[in-house]
Amino acid sequence: AQSVTQLGSHVSVSEGALVLLRCNYSSSVPPYLFWYVQYPNQGLQLLLKYTTGATLVKGINGFEAEFKKSETSFHLTKPSAHMSDAAEYFCAVSVLTGTASKLTFGTGTRLQVTL
Amino acid sequence: DTGVSQDPRHKITKRGQNVTFRCDPISEHNRLYWYRQTLGQGPEFLTYFQNEAQLEKSRLLSDRFSAERPKGSFSTLEIQRTEQGDSAMYLCASSPRGAGEQETQYFGPGTRLLVL
Repeated sequence: AQSVTQLGSHVSVSEGALVLLRCNYSSSVPPYLFWYVQYPNQGLQLLLKYTTGATLVKGINGFEAEFKKSETSFHLTKPSAHMSDAAEYFCAVSVLTGTASKLTFGTGTRLQVTL
Repeated sequence: DTGVSQDPRHKITKRGQNVTFRCDPISEHNRLYWYRQTLGQGPEFLTYFQNEAQLEKSRLLSDRFSAERPKGSFSTLEIQRTEQGDSAMYLCASSPRGAGEQETQYFGPGTRLLVL
């Protein structure tokens, strides 16, 4: 069975500092990996996804993530945090069962950005 | 493309009452998913439709829960005899035809349910 572990339920960084949100996955088949962001009282918005090909994936708002098969990781980074990045971030793995592509999510990491 | 919409955004009900939520997917998206998100957790898969056919249901979906997508467009999720443990955010997502496991699911804003 596929699973996702997000290390650190809360991460706090200063504005302008590097953002690093950790995600490790477990999958018996080549994974398809996603990062979603959730702002308060809103649904989830896709930041980026890895399917095949280049292991460094660039997303919206300056975020990127690198797929490392040897480490079973898909950490999310941003060189310089902005106040507007404060939100909850979810890593997810896609599982194809029959015709359904179910997302299995981690428990989320809440990012706080301070002045 | 107006995005996935959900109605209502918030619902407060008393234990034992029935509630129904609606999801309107992005037009021409033939796949529709329901997820449930409890406080401090990531969303968990509940059920999936391809067009009007409900093809998969999670074991989380007890017999008090029923979902429909009668014309392959909007979907409803009904909870009968609500319990306090049903309090959660119910999220709907849709994705386009034929995308497979690489598909991007587009999420609505969710319906937050509170059962008193």
